[in-house]
Amino acid sequence: AQSVTQLGSHVSVSEGALVLLRCNYSSSVPPYLFWYVQYPNQGLQLLLKYTTGATLVKGINGFEAEFKKSETSFHLTKPSAHMSDAAEYFCAVTSFSGGYNKLIFGAGTRLAVHP
Amino acid sequence: GAVVSQHPSRVICKSGTSVKIECRSLDFQATTMFWYRQFPKQSLMLMATSNEGSKATYEQGVEKDKFLINHASLTLSTLTVTSAHPEDSSFYICSAVPPRQPQHFGDGTRLSIL
Repeated sequence: AQSVTQLGSHVSVSEGALVLLRCNYSSSVPPYLFWYVQYPNQGLQLLLKYTTGATLVKGINGFEAEFKKSETSFHLTKPSAHMSDAAEYFCAVTSFSGGYNKLIFGAGTRLAVHP
Repeated sequence: GAVVSQHPSRVICKSGTSVKIECRSLDFQATTMFWYRQFPKQSLMLMATSNEGSKATYEQGVEKDKFLINHASLTLSTLTVTSAHPEDSSFYICSAVPPRQPQHFGDGTRLSIL
């Protein structure tokens, strides 16, 4: 079975500082991994995904994530935080179950960016 | 491309009312859509997988008779919360899968039962 653990339910950074959101996964098969962002009262927007190939994945809004199989991690980073990055971030892994590719989400990390 | 539209965005109604939420794929066909529920400050919990032309597949613990799902066309799935009660108040989000792409999500429906 697949699962996702996001370390840190809340992360606070200063504007311009490095953003690091942690995600570890468990999967019995090669995983497909995703990061989504959710703004208040909205759905989820895909930031980036890893399926196969290059382990460093670049996404929208300057975010990137690195798949590390040995550490079962897929941490999300951004070199310089912007106020508009404040949101909820979800890491997810694909679970092929019952004939469908379902998404298993982590508990989420709320990112706060202060001036 | 790959836009998923969800309607309504917000519903406030009295206890005992049935509420229908629509999820549409605007520029692609989706044989499979997903319905999630999200409680405040929590993650998304998959409720059911909606399949065009067949019965939905519900996750364990989700009441089929309470949450009716109809996927009558390749671009529309509906979730009906029957005889809603205050404990059904939540944020409901749908998603659809464009060809060769990850799930794309609607903007969600906030349901408040008085």
